[in-house]
Order: sequence, then structure tokens, then C-alpha cells
Amino acid sequence: GENVEQHPSTLSVQEGDSAVIKCTYSDSASNYFPWYKQELGKRPQLIIDIRSNVGEKKDQRIAVTLNKTAKHFSLHITETQPEDSAVYFCAASIGGDDMRFGAGTRLTVKP
Amino acid sequence: DSGVTQTPKHLITATGQRVTLRCSPRSGDLSVYWYQQSLDQGLQFLIQYYNGEERAKGNILERFSAQQFPDLHSELNLSSLELGDSALYFCASSVAWQGGTEAFFGQGTRLTVV
Repeated sequence: GENVEQHPSTLSVQEGDSAVIKCTYSDSASNYFPWYKQELGKRPQLIIDIRSNVGEKKDQRIAVTLNKTAKHFSLHITETQPEDSAVYFCAASIGGDDMRFGAGTRLTVKP
Repeated sequence: DSGVTQTPKHLITATGQRVTLRCSPRSGDLSVYWYQQSLDQGLQFLIQYYNGEERAKGNILERFSAQQFPDLHSELNLSSLELGDSALYFCASSVAWQGGTEAFFGQGTRLTVV
């Protein structure tokens, strides 16, 4: 099955700085890449997703980039705020099937 | 509220026992996924069903089994429980049309094996 690796495992930034989380996947057939945010004690929630026919997608302070050739995709958060502190998970799937997650990145935004 | 309902929310049981976790997907969602999240760990994919049929299998132990019923709700059965099975079990559902769509997570069932 698909193998998703995520780095870094922890990330600490100052409020207002940018944060970047990187993921790689192994199955070239994967074509759907969602990112989820999980706050302490809560369920994971989708924050942005990208499909393989798109190289970049942006939603306000959040952007995701995809490099199909290198099998890399990244999450960029600009102008970070304390409420961005959470665990972020990347995932890869084939058309929504067999959705595998990375190990997660614990982001801490210091005020 | 994501629209995905998991019951029970909490479950405490003894080693060697068997439990059943239930998941009701969002209305219209045909795909159901099960994940295990141990303390401060990631989301380990267990199994996926689509419209009653097994669609994909992950790192699911032989002691665990699942099924999706005609009304699309799903159950995860865990047997011969061990202390290490203590975790938060999430169910997620999606429409899952070709191309991928958002998977919505339930609030999870916290299983404690004592």
C-alpha cells in the first residue's frame, strides 16, 4: 500500500512567521492529497486538498504545492497565529480510496 | 458536527474481551474508513468499505474485522483485546467519487483495555 512520510514531526514558529510541512508519497497512482488539522481532543478536519492535475492551490493563508515527478507535496501557512497551533496530517489516496496519512506535525505558534 | 456518528464515545473493557464499534456515515456517503490513533500517534489506516464491499485494507490485525451493512453503517469488531489495543478509533466517510473528496471524521471511540 501507499507509504506517506511527513516532516518535521514538530515545528515551533513565532506568531506572524511562516510554517512549512513537507510530505512524500510512494505510489505514483495517488492522485488526491488532503491536509487535515487536529486540535487537542478533537477530530481531524480538512483544511485544504489538492488533486494531481493541479500544481498549487491557495486558500487565504494556507497553500499547498504538489510535485508529481518528485512525489512531494507541501503545506504552507503564512502569517501564523496562535490558533494555528495543532497537529497537521498530510494524506495520499487513489481517487479517495486507501487513504493513508503521514505521522503528523505538531505545530506550535508562540505569541 | 461532521455528520458522522460513532458509538460509543468511550469504552472500557478487560483484556481478552471482544467489542464492537459502530459508525453511521454522513447521509449520501458510500465510503467508510476506519483509523486507529494511539496516544500522541498518527492515524493508522485499518480498512475501507465502499457501498458494502471491502475497498482497501491497511494494517488491520487478524483479531480485528469490519463490515458495512446495506444501510451503509459500519461496525469494527475487535476481539481478544490486548492492552496495546487501547486507542482512539476514528471512522470517516466520504462520497468517494473518482478523483477524491473530503473525508469527514466522527468524534471517535476511545477504547481503554485494562
